[in-house]
Amino acid sequence: DTGVSQDPRHKITKRGQNVTFRCDPISEHNRLYWYRQTLGQGPEFLTYFQNEAQLEKSRLLSDRFSAERPKGSFSTLEIQRTEQGDSAMYLCASSPGLAGGAGSTDTQYFGPGTRLTVL
Amino acid sequence: RKEVEQDPGPFNVPEGATVAFNCTYSNSASQSFFWYRQDCRKEPKLLMSVYSSGNEDGRFTAQLNRASQYISLLIRDSKLSDSATYLCVVNRWGNTPLVFGKGTRLSVIA
Repeated sequence: DTGVSQDPRHKITKRGQNVTFRCDPISEHNRLYWYRQTLGQGPEFLTYFQNEAQLEKSRLLSDRFSAERPKGSFSTLEIQRTEQGDSAMYLCASSPGLAGGAGSTDTQYFGPGTRLTVL
Repeated sequence: RKEVEQDPGPFNVPEGATVAFNCTYSNSASQSFFWYRQDCRKEPKLLMSVYSSGNEDGRFTAQLNRASQYISLLIRDSKLSDSATYLCVVNRWGNTPLVFGKGTRLSVIA
């Protein structure tokens, strides 16, 4: 399967624990995005990378959250001192990345997500 | 106000029906527009991009009205397999994060 993969698919943890998720994008995709989705809502943007550079972080990304993409390939998202409000589906997406700006379209492909439950 | 607003749904329609979803967006700088489909407990998948001239893909027709900041999706001859949540999505231009609506749930009933 050459799509976006995420690991683990499910994670149950106790409040206060740290968790780390991994995302492997489609090979040669330059851009990698993290989104969070709660029940009954659409996905909400967290952060994204162009190769290894983290270009933007949402206000949703509190200081308990950190993301890395050290070699410009896979990425990790860590949540420290988890809270019950962190329970959600964490989605990763990748895209080829385009040199063009306005008017260009760069399709994002989503992985299956990691479902986090904080007890 | 949310940046992307959709009909709340759910829509329950019989097989063969035509159903239309509406969406409005607030950021006039938005450049790219999409409909994604999401099955229960699965990831979103691109259904179709939306262009100003309107575009059609089989039973699906998408329309964009930039002046009104309005996007629509029409599904003709609904199938049971069309049952899913349909997400209206925009972004400023190709290389930026997507902004999703809450989604509209569709159930097609035999």
